Amino acid sequence: KNQVEQSPQSLIILEGKNCTLQCNYTVSPFSNLRWYKQDTGRGPVSLTIMTFSENTKSNGRYTATLDADTKQSSLHITASQLSDSASYICVVSAKGVSSGDKLTFGTGTRLAVRP
Amino acid sequence: DSGVTQTPKHLITATGQRVTLRCSPRSGDLSVYWYQQSLDQGLQFLIQYYNGEERAKGNILERFSAQQFPDLHSELNLSSLELGDSALYFCASSAGGGSPLHFGNGTRLTVT
Repeated sequence: KNQVEQSPQSLIILEGKNCTLQCNYTVSPFSNLRWYKQDTGRGPVSLTIMTFSENTKSNGRYTATLDADTKQSSLHITASQLSDSASYICVVSAKGVSSGDKLTFGTGTRLAVRP
Repeated sequence: DSGVTQTPKHLITATGQRVTLRCSPRSGDLSVYWYQQSLDQGLQFLIQYYNGEERAKGNILERFSAQQFPDLHSELNLSSLELGDSALYFCASSAGGGSPLHFGNGTRLTVT
């Protein structure tokens, strides 16, 4: 069964600090891995998409890494801001199927950035 | 702004009732997806449409149905509502392939 597990479930950090969120998956065959940011009460917004051959991808202060061998990904947030407070969701897509129908969603890491 | 519009934003109804949620996808996107997100839970895939035809089904209950119209907007119909159906219902659209999903801001359904 395809699964995506994220850790930690929740995290509190001080403004300006860095943090790293983890995602482990067992989706097969692997196609791509996406990180989404979901503000409370809003729809998720795509941060990064990585395919099998990509190890690192950045989007501003967000840097995602992928180790396809160990089936692990991380999302590193640098110099956190209050606006980074949100849930971060890891989504893994299986190869050979159309976008969306075989996406497996993690339950997310809830990040709170305190002043 | 994702370009995906969902209406209504909030909906409060009683058990046993029927409601319709509406989604207008991003301009040019042919695929529409529906997801359910219960309190403190992950997103659960319900159903996908592509250019008017059902493409894939997830954990969608028989009491739920959906359709995509020729103008590509989609509706999710929920009937015989139960308390456990209270959740955020998200619509997303995509251009297909490996492109990202663009989510609307959801409809919050409360069943009392």
